[in-house]
Amino acid sequence: NAGVTQTPKFQVLKTGQSMTLQCAQDMNHNSMYWYRQDPGMGLRLIYYSASEGTTDKGEVPNGYNVSRLNKREFSLRLESAAPSQTSVYFCASSGPGGAFTGELFFGEGSRLTVL
Amino acid sequence: SQQGEEDPQALSIQEGENATMNCSYKTSINNLQWYRQNSGRGLVHLILIRSNEREKHSGRLRVTLDTSKKSSSLLITASRAADTASYFCATAFSGGYNKLIFGAGTRLAVHP
Repeated sequence: NAGVTQTPKFQVLKTGQSMTLQCAQDMNHNSMYWYRQDPGMGLRLIYYSASEGTTDKGEVPNGYNVSRLNKREFSLRLESAAPSQTSVYFCASSGPGGAFTGELFFGEGSRLTVL
Repeated sequence: SQQGEEDPQALSIQEGENATMNCSYKTSINNLQWYRQNSGRGLVHLILIRSNEREKHSGRLRVTLDTSKKSSSLLITASRAADTASYFCATAFSGGYNKLIFGAGTRLAVHP
């Protein structure tokens, strides 16, 4: 099984450009998450989706939008990229009950640089 | 601010030694989870301990939880060079939110 797949793996943007990070999971999970990881700061939650059709803000949602396209896919969009959004982005998913009942499964990350 | 704080930030030991990492958190939790991240890779789940549990084991891993002190510890016994990684604790709030909040992590280096 592929698990959680993120694309692209690497991206370089100029300030003000837009882009969408794609995430898909093949485990039939209800909950999906987007995190960013910066050096020395661990992972910070950007947005999450408890089920298809719902999305909620996490710790650091400003500058991002998300779409839960269907049960499998959860995308993260940067409308106008800023250097402060240079980071490694991780998508994750979890089964029924989300973090209350079980583990998160992570993708391999998308490394974004904004110049 | 982040929910969990790990201590120490970095740990360097020799193969065969035990490694202990600590995590403190701020609010009531449903559960606490530990994850491992190898350099340049995604996170991998190690163990989950619920708020009504005090200790849990998985292979060479031992996790304790003290809800009165809002703290947890991860012990890796008989460390191997392959255990070199960053380790993160993460907490699920008991306030009805379906999300996991991570600490900043402990970088563990195990030297042959």
